Amino acid sequence: ETGVTQTPRHLVMGMTNKKSLKCEQHLGHNAMYWYKQSAKKPLELMFVYSLEERVENNSVPSRFSPECPNSSHLFLHLHTLQPEDSALYLCASSDRALGHNEQFFGPGTRLTVL
Amino acid sequence: AQKVTQAQTEISVVEKEDVTLDCVYETRDTTYYLFWYKQPPSGELVFLIRRNSFDEQNEISGRYSWNFQKSTSSFNFTITASQVVDSAVYFCALSEVNNAGNMLTFGGGTRLMVKP
Repeated sequence: ETGVTQTPRHLVMGMTNKKSLKCEQHLGHNAMYWYKQSAKKPLELMFVYSLEERVENNSVPSRFSPECPNSSHLFLHLHTLQPEDSALYLCASSDRALGHNEQFFGPGTRLTVL
Repeated sequence: AQKVTQAQTEISVVEKEDVTLDCVYETRDTTYYLFWYKQPPSGELVFLIRRNSFDEQNEISGRYSWNFQKSTSSFNFTITASQVVDSAVYFCALSEVNNAGNMLTFGGGTRLMVKP
């Protein structure tokens, strides 16, 4: 495996379900990011982890809960979501230490909340 | 606050035409970086270029070229002799660095459709 992988690629869930999105990077990076891409909004940064510590939480509702067990893995735990949470969720990683580095993105998880 | 504006939401061209995607940014930082990403239908954002605020030299990479004009806060992207495979959404982004690392502010994207 190379680059940034995300699973599942597609997810349909009801508002009462609990599910998790997984991201894995194979690039040796030490910063990881979650973004939300909705149909009519720019890419929105949700969370940033640097050296496995959460360093940015961009006013995201508590029904989204991130977890970064190590520098290669990032999860987004979902519970009691709303239909407006339907979007493409993108994971990215970068080498924070060098600053201003490009972020490498995964293919995203297309989430539909019924 | 940082802001990136891509005024063109959608552009349609015929193959082999040249096309320019506009990007205008706002920042109070004196040191910043600008990026372009391509998002094909598969969904994954693909990095194209990074440019720092102190380097105003234009850059060319094959059919792609970028024009950075600090005086007008613009970082435009031109595709020469467009091809169908260039069809995608293109995002311009601005980077600030704080204690958290590398934060990107994205523009709204420009959807480019290249017709055969």
